[in-house]
Amino acid sequence: EVQLLESGGGLVQPGGSLRLSCAASGFTFSSYGMSWVRQAPGKGLEWVSGISGSGGSTYYTDSVKGRFTISRDNSKNTLYLQMNSLRAEDTAVYYCAKIHSMGSTYRDAFDIWGQGTMVTVSS
Amino acid sequence: DIQMTQSPSTLSASVGDRVTITCRASQSISSRLAWYQQKPGKAPKLLIYQASSLPSGVPSRFSGSGSGTEFTLTISSLQPDDFATYSCQQYHGYSSFGQGTKLEIK
Repeated sequence: EVQLLESGGGLVQPGGSLRLSCAASGFTFSSYGMSWVRQAPGKGLEWVSGISGSGGSTYYTDSVKGRFTISRDNSKNTLYLQMNSLRAEDTAVYYCAKIHSMGSTYRDAFDIWGQGTMVTVSS
Repeated sequence: DIQMTQSPSTLSASVGDRVTITCRASQSISSRLAWYQQKPGKAPKLLIYQASSLPSGVPSRFSGSGSGTEFTLTISSLQPDDFATYSCQQYHGYSSFGQGTKLEIK
């Protein structure tokens, strides 16, 4: 079964850091681009960051550039999101999501999603 | 940035109804559009990709159409399990999503 399982969320103070992980199973992880998508409470979905299958190309939405870093370890079938200088507006459920087509990086639909992990930035 | 606007924001309908949700892009996105269904506390589920293609396992009562800047999601005969929030996503550039349409029971 194709599955994504996020972990690492929690409560952090403004200016703090957190690292999210997403463990993948059931597919050839290194063949697919991956993304992080977040959803603030009661709001719509927002794409945050994407990474190619090899990890050689990364992409970010403007509001997180310079603060968040996406990476992957294909030997461990795991996707990461390092979040630094966190702000209240980063509070959201963070989902990892698999790109639909093999070889695509970020310009594609997301066919598999994790269950999400909640990040709360508050003092 | 490409902005996605969905209408309506809320839709009340009954089991068996045919419903249509519209998504408009701020610039042409060709057919690079997907639709998702999301239930409270759950992750989104892919319903349509490339504007009109159904992934395996998605019921045929769901259909998508459109290209360029205007797209529609149609549910031909609403089932009890279909009451949820529906969101569109463009992937012509960096992805962006519509604000969502909540489909409620009338």
